[in-house]
Amino acid sequence: DQQVKQNSPSLSVQEGRISILNCDYTNSMFDYFLWYKKYPAEGPTFLISISSIKDKNEDGRFTVFLNKSAKHLSLHIVPSQPGDSAVYFCAAKYTGGFKTIFGAGTRLFVKA
Amino acid sequence: DTGVSQDPRHKITKRGQNVTFRCDPISEHNRLYWYRQTLGQGPEFLTYFQNEAQLEKSRLLSDRFSAERPKGSFSTLEIQRTEQGDSAMYLCASSSTSGSYNEQFFGPGTRLTVL
Repeated sequence: DQQVKQNSPSLSVQEGRISILNCDYTNSMFDYFLWYKKYPAEGPTFLISISSIKDKNEDGRFTVFLNKSAKHLSLHIVPSQPGDSAVYFCAAKYTGGFKTIFGAGTRLFVKA
Repeated sequence: DTGVSQDPRHKITKRGQNVTFRCDPISEHNRLYWYRQTLGQGPEFLTYFQNEAQLEKSRLLSDRFSAERPKGSFSTLEIQRTEQGDSAMYLCASSSTSGSYNEQFFGPGTRLTVL
């Protein structure tokens, strides 16, 4: 039962352009969403998060958008840089719960 | 380096053997998590500790798996009678109850191969 889905296994983008990574969820109880980035041979690192009371959160080149009615969130990276090439995981949790549910990840390639 | 550390980084074992992994969280973090990640998937939650108390266990954690966190510091994950299906990356993460508690800091993982 995949509660968090990332339907695009990979995405290729030209340097300087926008990268858009998508994520869908099924559990209405989720009220906090996170994006993690993972380089090879390293553990995931936290990138940005958003609470369900917001529809947008921005941090530098990274912006996360949340559409609760569609149970959809997206991560925008502008402008994309070659160093952004990594696997990006969407994750979700709910208040009072201890576990974080991760999607399968999207591998981003940023071409120079 | 004051990040989360895991030992060993790689473990190759034969089916039926027992293995134990160690995780040292960031020192001031009282929350500790174990995840398992297989190829092409995201991390799957296994178990959670707050200080020394194990507060949640996933159904993925069969009776062959046991985790401990004595004294609320480092944690160990033991797998008894390993099976080939246990081959995966085992990730440990820690977080604090203060500040942005939702953000977890991950270690580099222990890659287990069961032959």
